[in-house]
Formats: sequence, C-alpha cells, structure tokens
Amino acid sequence: QVHLQESGPGLVKPSQTLSLTCTVSGDSVSSGSYFWSWIRQPAGKGLEWIGRISPTGSTRYNPFLKSRLTISADTSKNQISLKLTSVTAADTAVYYCAGGPNIGDDYFWFDPWGQGTLVTVAS
Amino acid sequence: QSVVTQPPSVSAAPGQKVAISCSGSSSNIEKNHISWYQQFPGTAPKVLIYDNNKRPSGIPDRFSASRSGTSATLDITGLQTGDEADYHCVVWDSILSSWVFGGGTKLTVL
Repeated sequence: QVHLQESGPGLVKPSQTLSLTCTVSGDSVSSGSYFWSWIRQPAGKGLEWIGRISPTGSTRYNPFLKSRLTISADTSKNQISLKLTSVTAADTAVYYCAGGPNIGDDYFWFDPWGQGTLVTVAS
Repeated sequence: QSVVTQPPSVSAAPGQKVAISCSGSSSNIEKNHISWYQQFPGTAPKVLIYDNNKRPSGIPDRFSASRSGTSATLDITGLQTGDEADYHCVVWDSILSSWVFGGGTKLTVL
C-alpha cells in the first residue's frame, strides 16, 4: 500500500520560498504506477490543484501558479518536492501530496493522499 | 468564480437521499473524467467515486454518481450521521490544462 507523508516548514515569511517534501513509501516515485500531484486547501475553502510530476519526470503546473512553481523528484530519496517562490498570505494553506494512478500514461483521479501539512505565510 | 461550481451546503434527514451537484462546461465536465472526494474536518480527502461513476473497493453502494452534459451529480442514499462531511468534485479542464475542483459542499445530516 502506498503511503505519502508531507514535511517542511510550517511558517514562511512573505516574499520567501515555500519548500515542501512528500516522502513516498510502498512504491517508487519512478515506478510508473503513479503521477504525483500537489494540492492545497486554504482554511475553510476548497481544494486547488498546484501541479504534478509524471513517473518520467515531466511536469505540468496550474497556469495561475506556473511562474512561481517548481515540482521535482528525488528518486534516491523517493521524494517529491514543491517549491513556490515569492509567497504571500494567499499561499497560506494545508498542502497535500497525492498520487494519481497511471492509466495508459495518464491519470484521472487522486488516490492516495498524504495527511497534509499546514503552511502559514506570515512575518 | 470557479469554472466548476458546487452548492456550498446541502442537508437532509437520516435515512433520506441527497444529491450534490457539480456544474461546469464543455471544456471540463462534458468531456473529461470526474471524481468525487469525501473530507472530514482535519483530514485529507478520500476518493469516493472515480472515472465518473465507479466506486473504489470499500465504498458503499449508497454512494453513486452520474453525469449529464455539463453537470455531474453525487447521490447519497440512506443518509447516516457519519456521512456529515465536505464533498468535492474534480475534473480536468481542457482549456486551462489544469485540474479544477468545485468549491466543495458541506453535507449536514439533520
């Protein structure tokens, strides 16, 4: 069974870079079984897809975040990382990583999910 | 204004049926796969429905979903107090080239 665990600083200052890691267990990030996404949720609000990395390392980003976003994979550590630059209070949210089962080199839903990690942007 | 919209809240009595709508457009719901998620406070979402109307193993058949044109619906029958949660739809938008979530619907079982 695949398990995802997010980690990273809980507090980031405005204008700085938010960096998070998702550690995958139960599968290899490059096995081909999953696409890996980051999704966030501000308190009391809906979910927002941030972006994804494929098993081969290709990325696709939310067009509204693309200019500030980098998602990458470290196969030696079996981790997926997220970097979001120039953060503001609007980036305060619970950040989830989620796997999308690879179906014919594409994915159509999100399962499993990590437990999420709260990141607050404040000085 | 999200490209995919859900009602903020719905409510019904135990044992009754409720329908949660997810409205979009020809660039998302009408042509792409929809999935639905259940989320309890303080926890991660969990997939309830994938590929428009399929249930993962372990999801009761009280949960079902359908799609018609640019709208989709999640139906929950035989409501239980334990069904009180937020429900989210998500679909790929072919114009944005991005996954888009509905804003989520809070279900209250009165």
